[in-house]
Amino acid sequence: EVQLVESGGGLVQPGGSLRLSCAASGFTFNNYWMSWVRQAPGKGLEWVANIKKDGSEKYYVDSVKGRFTISRDNAKNSLYLQMNSLRGEDAAVYYCARDFAAGTTDYWGQGTLVTVSS
Amino acid sequence: QSALTQPASVSGSPGQSITISCTGTSSDVGGYKYVSWYQQHPGKAPKLMIYEVSNRPSGVPDRFSGSKSGNTASLTISGLQAEDEAHYYCSSYTPNTALDRVFGGGTKLTVL
Repeated sequence: EVQLVESGGGLVQPGGSLRLSCAASGFTFNNYWMSWVRQAPGKGLEWVANIKKDGSEKYYVDSVKGRFTISRDNAKNSLYLQMNSLRGEDAAVYYCARDFAAGTTDYWGQGTLVTVSS
Repeated sequence: QSALTQPASVSGSPGQSITISCTGTSSDVGGYKYVSWYQQHPGKAPKLMIYEVSNRPSGVPDRFSGSKSGNTASLTISGLQAEDEAHYYCSSYTPNTALDRVFGGGTKLTVL
């Protein structure tokens, strides 16, 4: 059974940092691109970043470029999102997602909530 | 403003059929086969319902179907059931922009 379990969310002040983690199990992790997708409270879904199977390519939505870094450790079956210089508009539930086709996610984690407030 | 346009809400009675539209451009919906649909119940993670315009993942009832014409994709749910009440989001691959994919703003389906 495919499982994606996020952790690391919480309350952070504007300008602060957080590191999200996603533990993957039930599939061969290094065979898949992985993404982070977020959802602000009461809003729709927004793709944030993705990373190639071997970590050699990374892509970001413009609003997080230079502030967020996606990474993975295939030996640990884990995906990460380092978030720096956080802003109020970054507040959302962040989902770890497995991409099985171009621009397509087939499995999602349960999400981890990031709150940015002073 | 979301990149793909969906109606904010649709409704139907049990047993009826409904269709949710998703309108984009030739740079996303109209240009690629990678259009997908997700169902999201309150407080839950999204669930893939349709991928590559019209394919259903294993376990998704055949009451759910997808199609595309030009720059508009559609999700049809036939034989509505109470458990279908949820938000539905469309998504399209869009490699020619700075994004990997774009989502619609979501449609709230109410089963009357």
